[in-house]
Amino acid sequence: GDSVTQMEGPVTLSEEAFLTINCTYTATGYPSLFWYVQYPGEGLQLLLKATKADDKGSNKGFEATYRKETTSFHLEKGSVQVSDSAVYFCALSDGNRDDKIIFGKGTRLHILP
Amino acid sequence: GAGVSQSPRYKVAKRGQDVALRCDPISGHVSLFWYQQALGQGPEFLTYFQNEAQLDKSGLPSDRFFAERPEGSVSTLKIQRTQQEDSAVYLCASSLEGTYATNEKLFFGSGTQLSVL
Repeated sequence: GDSVTQMEGPVTLSEEAFLTINCTYTATGYPSLFWYVQYPGEGLQLLLKATKADDKGSNKGFEATYRKETTSFHLEKGSVQVSDSAVYFCALSDGNRDDKIIFGKGTRLHILP
Repeated sequence: GAGVSQSPRYKVAKRGQDVALRCDPISGHVSLFWYQQALGQGPEFLTYFQNEAQLDKSGLPSDRFFAERPEGSVSTLKIQRTQQEDSAVYLCASSLEGTYATNEKLFFGSGTQLSVL
């Protein structure tokens, strides 16, 4: 079945460092791809999305490009801030009737001041 | 309310006890999802409602798990005869639309953390 694999954490970076969190997927169809973020004590929030190959999703300085040839959707940010500390989930939806989302295991990110 | 509300925030149950977890979706939202998130894992799909109709319950792990949404708004996830492996955070999410691509506007609650002793 469909699945998502993302790099294990925790990832610890200094403020203003460059961030990459790798994500690859397996899907039989043409999924939509997402990054969700979970800040401490809060619910999951959609960070960005891409619905077809070569689309780039972006939000709050984060970017991810839908790469069909490598089945990847890596999350990047050029300069992280302490406030970016959270757990990041890569996810896909295969677009069927109920659009259930399949999540990766999550990557915890710590940004040091 | 302003967002998806879940209660209780924390629940401790003795093994074998029945529990009921409540989800208040955003008013007017058609779609409602339940997810289970074990410690250190990503959320895993349990079940989906479109209004009061339960269209997909393929993720419910056993017949001890039961969900309902009788009036198409508030939903309850019930777990009978709880086991230690049921310990997890149970997340509810809702979406305004009831058709294809609802996930674009999916709003999650903060979850109920269930601990079974």
